[in-house]
Amino acid sequence: EDKVVQSPLSLVVHEGDTVTLNCSYEVTNFRSLLWYKQEKKAPTFLFMLTSSGIEKKSGRLSSILDKKELSSILNITATQTGDSAIYLCAVLFSGGGADGLTFGKGTHLIIQP
Amino acid sequence: NAGVTQTPKFRVLKTGQSMTLLCAQDMNHEYMYWYRQDPGMGLRLIHYSVGEGTTAKGEVPDGYNVSRLKKQNFLLGLESAAPSQTSVYFCASSQSVYQHFGDGTRLSIL
Repeated sequence: EDKVVQSPLSLVVHEGDTVTLNCSYEVTNFRSLLWYKQEKKAPTFLFMLTSSGIEKKSGRLSSILDKKELSSILNITATQTGDSAIYLCAVLFSGGGADGLTFGKGTHLIIQP
Repeated sequence: NAGVTQTPKFRVLKTGQSMTLLCAQDMNHEYMYWYRQDPGMGLRLIHYSVGEGTTAKGEVPDGYNVSRLKKQNFLLGLESAAPSQTSVYFCASSQSVYQHFGDGTRLSIL
């Protein structure tokens, strides 16, 4: 059975700290891995990773995929209270006539001022 | 450009009642999806559609039905609501890569 596991499930840090969120997967017919940020409503897209070892970066956020280890990390440097959210990892796979996303349970990140 | 719009935003039902959640997208996307999100469970796929007139089961389809009569709309029906279906329901659409999500429908079954 396909599976996506995120760790930690929750994390509380102080403003200014750097955090690393983890995502590991066991998915057949892997295509890509996606990170989403979910605040109060809809998940919003952050990154899509397809190739191993290539870092994607957007401001203080960065992410990298390790296909050999079947995992990805999401780094946030100099955290701010606005970074508080649930971070979702999802793996896109091919199969059954449609591409599907399998989501992890998410990491609930709380940034304290 | 509205993106993905879900109606209603909130609803309270009694056990045994039926209702339909509506998802509309204006991006001309082929694929549409219904998820439910429960505390500690992440997002779980209920049903999805790869195009107008087609539907398929996801991970947790029992107790739900869907229809995609028009490309821009994807309806999720609860035939006989049960307390276990209390959840936040998200609709998403995509063309090929990442999925665009609606703001969710919070549904409570008493």
